[in-house]
Amino acid sequence: KQEVTQIPAALSVPEGENLVLNCSFTDSAIYNLQWFRQDPGKGLTSLLLIQSSQREQTSGRLNASLDKSSGRSTLYIAASQPGDSATYLCAAPNLISSGSARQLTFGSGTQLTVLP
Amino acid sequence: DTEVTQTPKHLVMGMTNKKSLKCEQHMGHRAMYWYKQKAKKPPELMFVYSYEKLSINESVPSRFSPECPNSSLLNLHLHALQPEDSALYLCASSQGDHTGTPLPFFGPGTRLTVL
Repeated sequence: KQEVTQIPAALSVPEGENLVLNCSFTDSAIYNLQWFRQDPGKGLTSLLLIQSSQREQTSGRLNASLDKSSGRSTLYIAASQPGDSATYLCAAPNLISSGSARQLTFGSGTQLTVLP
Repeated sequence: DTEVTQTPKHLVMGMTNKKSLKCEQHMGHRAMYWYKQKAKKPPELMFVYSYEKLSINESVPSRFSPECPNSSLLNLHLHALQPEDSALYLCASSQGDHTGTPLPFFGPGTRLTVL
């Protein structure tokens, strides 16, 4: 069964700093990995989806990398802003036996605070 | 329309009440999911519907009863809940095919409090 781990659990940085969030997974036979953002008490917003054939995916100030061989993914946030404060979750999918749906296994998240 | 909607946003119920959570999407997705998320924990899968049939039940207590009346709607019927069932309930949907990129879309969630 897939297990997903995220470190650190919490991170506090001053505004403008570049930062890296880490995600590791046990089953390297994934076909993609996703990063989500969750604001307190809110639902999940998908940030980046990296296919297994890709090594990186970029969206604005966000860059996610995937190394299947080592079972790791990183989310790089450049020039952090107070509005980036949220919990960031990575998730790896498991193919459900019916073949038509996907089960996501989530990491426990990194709670990011960007101080003005 | 590229969103998943959930109603109500907040729900407070007693342990003897019967209530329902509703989820709706009009993206043509054929897989729909219920997740439960406790405070400061990651979402945990409860149920998966694939082509309107229950595919996965992650050993969820029978006081939670899912229903998928059609391809756009997903309900979660609640009865005789316990205070520890208080959580954020998230609905999601995805394309659900073998070769595509089934990016799940998540709804905003229903915050449930059981008194």
